[in-house]
Amino acid sequence: DVKVTQSSRYLVKRTGEKVFLECVQDMDHENMFWYRQDPGLGLRLIYFSYDVKMKEKGDIPEGYSVSREKKERFSLILESASTNQTSMYLCASSLTQKGARGYTFGSGTRLTVV
Amino acid sequence: DAKTTQPPSMDCAEGRAANLPCNHSTISGNEYVYWYRQIHSQGPQYIIHGLKNNETNEMASLIITEDRKSSTLILPHATLRDTAVYYCIVRVGEGNSGGSNYKLTFGKGTLLTVNP
Repeated sequence: DVKVTQSSRYLVKRTGEKVFLECVQDMDHENMFWYRQDPGLGLRLIYFSYDVKMKEKGDIPEGYSVSREKKERFSLILESASTNQTSMYLCASSLTQKGARGYTFGSGTRLTVV
Repeated sequence: DAKTTQPPSMDCAEGRAANLPCNHSTISGNEYVYWYRQIHSQGPQYIIHGLKNNETNEMASLIITEDRKSSTLILPHATLRDTAVYYCIVRVGEGNSGGSNYKLTFGKGTLLTVNP
């Protein structure tokens, strides 16, 4: 089975810190995604990437950036963490192949900014 | 923008079939119906997808109406571990060009509660 691994399950950071959330997948998937999930707002797409060094903004990219230097790794960067970025962050990957199954998600990183 | 409509919640007795409806009246010809579920505090999990034919796998069955404007996800013998939020999503299938086509947009889904 495809595995999507997020580096931390829980993270506490201070306001103003630079925060890196790491995501690694092990099945050579082209596409990778970062979502955040908040109560009442559901899952919202922050950024995605469909190839190495390629990235596209999702629905809520403000305050975030991403890096994809290698196919298997997709990093989400909070340049200066703020309390409104406290959330559950979910990484996903998918294969570009007709008939392929859908996304595989990681277990999530619950980030608290204090 | 939500392309699907699902009931906010449903209940099902353990061991019985759970039938989760989804309306997608504006679905395009090249869009598939995808179903995911999210168990509390976990990432969403892919269940099944289909274009126009009914589909079955080890987890569930997907019934799509002939006009493709609605579908039903069937869990044949629901267990307590099937309690989750179930999301119905329409999107172009994998293999189509265009980076933005790969986005999945999640709505609010249906909270299925399986009762003992």
